[in-house]
Parts: sequence; structure tokens; C-alpha cells
Amino acid sequence: GAGVSQSPRYKVAKRGQDVALRCDPISGHVSLFWYQQALGQGPEFLTYFQNEAQLDKSGLPSDRFFAERPEGSVSTLKIQRTQQEDSAVYLCASSLNRASGANVLTFGAGSRLTVL
Amino acid sequence: AQSVTQLGSHVSVSEGALVLLRCNYSSSVPPYLFWYVQYPNQGLQLLLKYTSAATLVKGINGFEAEFKKSETSFHLTKPSAHMSDAAEYFCAVSDRVVIQGAQKLVFGQGTRLTINP
Repeated sequence: GAGVSQSPRYKVAKRGQDVALRCDPISGHVSLFWYQQALGQGPEFLTYFQNEAQLDKSGLPSDRFFAERPEGSVSTLKIQRTQQEDSAVYLCASSLNRASGANVLTFGAGSRLTVL
Repeated sequence: AQSVTQLGSHVSVSEGALVLLRCNYSSSVPPYLFWYVQYPNQGLQLLLKYTSAATLVKGINGFEAEFKKSETSFHLTKPSAHMSDAAEYFCAVSDRVVIQGAQKLVFGQGTRLTINP
């Protein structure tokens, strides 16, 4: 597609529920990132994929967070046993993987998760 | 570790006035620097980036930013504010060289720009 597509745009979950957030990157983009943006804050890095390989998951806040990109395109961020502190906007971004120069990230509109 | 500090979580200017949003970075070597804008309920849109060519970078919507190594700053300016500029602005930094992984972005806390008619 023309841009990065995320679904659902809004998700309300009861505490303890599992949720899955989907990201469709720009076709041909090798790199895919997940960021978490709490209310009034800047986005914070969660994890990074290069094709299907998850090369960096240093930002995942706990083992309740899991991400996958099995075929190197669509990615899913899963949060198990959601807690209120998980409430945030989850942003997906993709980019080419240029060998030199700055790789510009294109962001999706985000999935806003509210945990009650 | 890299970090970005945006001075002023809220900035308010009159329509037609100069916009100045401040950003200072902390990095051992000059990094790549970016400004993104976020409109309500939307993702982040790239305004401009600094990669090492000209220190004065021009972006979309009339915005520009100047990289000043001596001040470790990358402030965003626009000569004349428009009502449509009201949004959240984020400064971000990334490493030039990565051993494995990608040039992940480290964002500042953001500055909310309000335009008064």
C-alpha cells in the first residue's frame, strides 16, 4: 500500500485480556519498528525487525510483550494479560534499509490501546 | 546513550509570528537528526532531517532547522506561523553507524504548538 497501515485504530481491553495489534508496512520496506507512545510523551522504541528477523527487542517492557513478522511483511504486536500501564498508542514504522545515509521512517497512524 | 531534550512542552505564538521550537541532543559524535510533526489522532510525519550536508535544512510547510555542533542543538523555525501549524512536534536522533539492527530513533518529549488567531 501507499502508507503504513495499522489495525485496530482503537482497542479497549479489560485488564488481564490479551490483545493483538497489526501493522502492514510499505511494500518493499525491509525494516519495521514498533514504538509505544504514552499520553503526553514522545514515542519510545520497543522492537525492530529486518525482514522476518527480530534483531532488537531491547525496548519491550516485559515478557508480556511479544512481536512477530513471520513472512517479513505484516507484523503483529501481542500483549498478554494487559495492565493499565499498557495503555498507550502503539506506533508502527517501516523503512528501506539503506547501506549508507539516514533511513527515514514512515509511521502508521497508530493503535490506541486503553486498558480498563 | 543518545538523548534529546526539547525545551518547552508547550509553545504558543500568534498567527504570522515566528515559530521557534528548541531541541538539544546528547551524542558523542554528530548523529542524524530529525523533526517530526504529529497531528491529532495521526502518526508522525517527517518535517526535515539533517544527515551531514548543509547545516541549514529546509523541510516541508516552510519549516527549517539549523544544526549547530558547538551548541549540540537542532532548533526548528518557521518565519510566519499559520493556524494549520498547530500540532505536536518531536525532535529525534539516531546513530550514524549501527553494528546490528537499524538506525532506531530516540525521541524527545515533544512540544505542543498552539497558534493564536
